[in-house]
This record gives sequence, C-alpha cells and structure tokens, in this order.
Amino acid sequence: DIQMTQSPSSLSASVGDIVTITCRASQYMSTYVNWYRQKPGKAPELLVYSGSSLQSGVPSRFSGSGSGTEFSLTINSLQPEDFATYYCQQSYTTQFTFGPGTKVDIK
Amino acid sequence: EVQLLESGGGLVQTGGSLRLSCAASGFTFTNCAMTWVRQAPGKGLEWVSTIVGSGGTTYYADSVKGRFTISRDNSKTTLNLLMSSLRAEDTALYYCAKGRGEFGATVDVWGRGTTVTVSS
Repeated sequence: DIQMTQSPSSLSASVGDIVTITCRASQYMSTYVNWYRQKPGKAPELLVYSGSSLQSGVPSRFSGSGSGTEFSLTINSLQPEDFATYYCQQSYTTQFTFGPGTKVDIK
Repeated sequence: EVQLLESGGGLVQTGGSLRLSCAASGFTFTNCAMTWVRQAPGKGLEWVSTIVGSGGTTYYADSVKGRFTISRDNSKTTLNLLMSSLRAEDTALYYCAKGRGEFGATVDVWGRGTTVTVSS
C-alpha cells in the first residue's frame, strides 16, 4: 500500500509569514500529487495539481514543487484565510491516497 | 455555476445498508470522473471511490472494496454510492467531488457533504 506522510503535522505562523509543508510518498509518484486546503467546517478546495500546476482562481501566493517521492507546498505571505488544514493526495496509482494533513494555526 | 448536492445520509445500524446520491449541475457530467471522499469526525480526508466519466471503470479504497458500489446515471447527472455491511468505522461526512477530467481522482469541486452514522 502507498503511504503518504506530511510534515510537520501542525505549525504556528503569523500573517505575512512564508510557510512550507512537505509531503513524502512511500513510492515513486512522478509529479502526480495534489494539494488541498480545508478551512474549519468547510469542504476542501483544490490548490495545486500535478505537483506544481496552480488551480484556476487560486492566489499566486500558493506554489507546489517536487517529483518522485518528495513534494512541497509553499504559501508566500500567509493570509488570515490560510489558517486551515492542508492535505496532499497522490493520483499516480488507483488508490488515490490522501496524506494525514498539516494544520496551520495562528501564532 | 457548478453545484454538487449530496443526499441520503443518516443513522443506520451496524451491518445495514445506505444509498448516497449526489445531484450534479453546471458542467458536462460525462466529461468528468466523480469521486466520493469521506471524513470521520475530527479526522483527515479518506478517498473512498472514483468512477470515470463513462461509468465503465470504478476504483475503490481497500477499506470499502466489496462492501460499497459506486455508480452514475449520466442521463440524470447523478452519482450514487451504495454502502452495505456498514461498520462503525464508516461513520463520517461523505463528500461528492467532481474530477478535473474524465479519469482520475484529482477533484476540483466539492459538495457540502452528507453525514453517515453507523451505530449498534
């Protein structure tokens, strides 16, 4: 089974900070990793797909990178609406596993 | 505007069955794979099942394989999930989600979810 891990599991940051979240896959994923943001009490939103492609309508402060087994999501200049939980998801195999999530809260 | 509206959730006994539905509108339904994702209370996201645009291929998480059946009615733009042999660990908020393309489980629009509670 493919395992997706995320680090850190949680972090505290301030508005304006740069935040980077890492996702590691237990096997090769090419660039088939997506990133989602889930605000409290809301459905998730797609931010980045295929490793580094920004979903339409998503602010440019979000960026994704990586390939193979290690991927990252960077948020430049954290905004109040970015205090949320972030999930990676692999779409390389047909078990479309999500990572366990990274919670970003206010310092 | 793309809209996904889930229904069918509720309280069911352990071992029972339940059918979830998702009414889709605002996009070309047959061009998009559709996915169910669930979230247990206070927990993370868990991919459950995906069906390609034509309905010809389906995928399931190991945790539900053999118990859940995903289907779609492209004439009615509706997605379904038939859940049987339900267990306490199936208790969750179930989201219907639209795929970015005809295949795969990269999803770009989510419904608000419907809650399933399995209890003895």
